[in-house]
Amino acid sequence: DTAVSQTPKYLVTQMGNDKSIKCEQNLGHDTMYWYKQDSKKFLKIMFSYNNKELIINETVPNRFSPKSPDKAHLNLHINSLELGDSAVYFCASSQWAGGLAERGPYEQYFGPGTRLTVT
Amino acid sequence: GEDVEQSLFLSVREGDSSVINCTYTDSSSTYLYWYKQEPGAGLQLLTYIFSNMDMKQDQRLTVLLNKKDKHLSLRIADTQTGDSAIYFCAERSSNTGKLIFGQGTTLQVKP
Repeated sequence: DTAVSQTPKYLVTQMGNDKSIKCEQNLGHDTMYWYKQDSKKFLKIMFSYNNKELIINETVPNRFSPKSPDKAHLNLHINSLELGDSAVYFCASSQWAGGLAERGPYEQYFGPGTRLTVT
Repeated sequence: GEDVEQSLFLSVREGDSSVINCTYTDSSSTYLYWYKQEPGAGLQLLTYIFSNMDMKQDQRLTVLLNKKDKHLSLRIADTQTGDSAIYFCAERSSNTGKLIFGQGTTLQVKP
């Protein structure tokens, strides 16, 4: 009954490879996010999708391409991996919280993270 | 702009109170959050506060908000070794809904 799940938990790969990380939520939320946590634990949003539509893209290189086949899934595909891509990637979900009609806390629930190591 | 700042490290003795501080810049933020991250784990939402409140208490946790100074704090009463973790404060952008996190405060609890 995991709320937000990610696979794989660990991913070790070589520079130049292409890899994907999958995320699924069973909370019935309509918004999903990808965050990157670097080695200093700094956490920054990368993308956000609402009802399969991209709403946030935080100047992430276009080697990173999120794909949302439905509201419950948001996958992250990374092309031509670089050493600097090594980090922990977290998926999260919430009810839609943006826009002018903000009415609630719309808590974001996080997955367990995927530790990506590029060698 | 949107920026959130926290001190990086706090060490306390078991049984003492811990106070973790945070400052933010976006005065239009309506909700502010505290998350906990244990080693090797994801982020767990601890509590949140609405910007028109100045205090919220939830068992051992007390959140204080000074909106004028844009200062948020998390007090953990009777701190236990299981409270050792990284604590992140975050503000939510009022127009995009994205969370802007502080750098995280590592709380070390000594027995």
